[in-house]
Amino acid sequence: DQQVKQNSPSLSVQEGRISILNCDYTNSMFDYFLWYKKYPAEGPTFLISISSIKDKNEDGRFTVFLNKSAKHLSLHIVPSQPGDSAVYFCAAATGNQFYFGTGTSLTVIP
Amino acid sequence: ETGVTQSPTHLIKTRGQQVTLRCSSQSGHNTVSWYQQALGQGPQFIFQYYREEENGRGNFPPRFSGLQFPNYSSELNVNALELDDSALYLCASSPKRGGNFQETQYFGPGTRLLVL
Repeated sequence: DQQVKQNSPSLSVQEGRISILNCDYTNSMFDYFLWYKKYPAEGPTFLISISSIKDKNEDGRFTVFLNKSAKHLSLHIVPSQPGDSAVYFCAAATGNQFYFGTGTSLTVIP
Repeated sequence: ETGVTQSPTHLIKTRGQQVTLRCSSQSGHNTVSWYQQALGQGPQFIFQYYREEENGRGNFPPRFSGLQFPNYSSELNVNALELDDSALYLCASSPKRGGNFQETQYFGPGTRLLVL
């Protein structure tokens, strides 16, 4: 039962443009959401998070939006850079339970 | 300051065997979480250890067990291996167990297990 879903396995964007990665979840009990970035042969690294009491959190070029009624979150990267090319995982948590999505592979084309 | 290390990097076992995977946490981190990442999937939370006690468990059967040692390193043991256990096993250490520990997790590179 996949409680966190990323329906786009891959995304290609031109350098300087906006990258939008999407994530849907099914469990309304999730109260905390995160995005991780993963390079090949490395473990995921934390990127940005948002609490369920907020609808937006921004950190530099990265912004996460949460739409609780739609059970949807998105990560915006502006402007996209070639070094952003990686696999991005969204994740959702409640208590000690923690679920990852399947990942979206982002390629930023120079 | 060393990061999270895991051993071995790769492992091949046959169905029914037992396996032990090891993780050394980052200096100063007292919480270790283990994850299973099957091919094409996101990591799935197996369990978490805090100060040598299990502190939360995902939807995995009892044949997945763990240990944490006084130096906060950890082992993941899997008994009666099944073909579906083939995956990348990630461990992550954190300096805290609650309060959004996920933000402070540092992941190791993983151990790739193949069960034949």
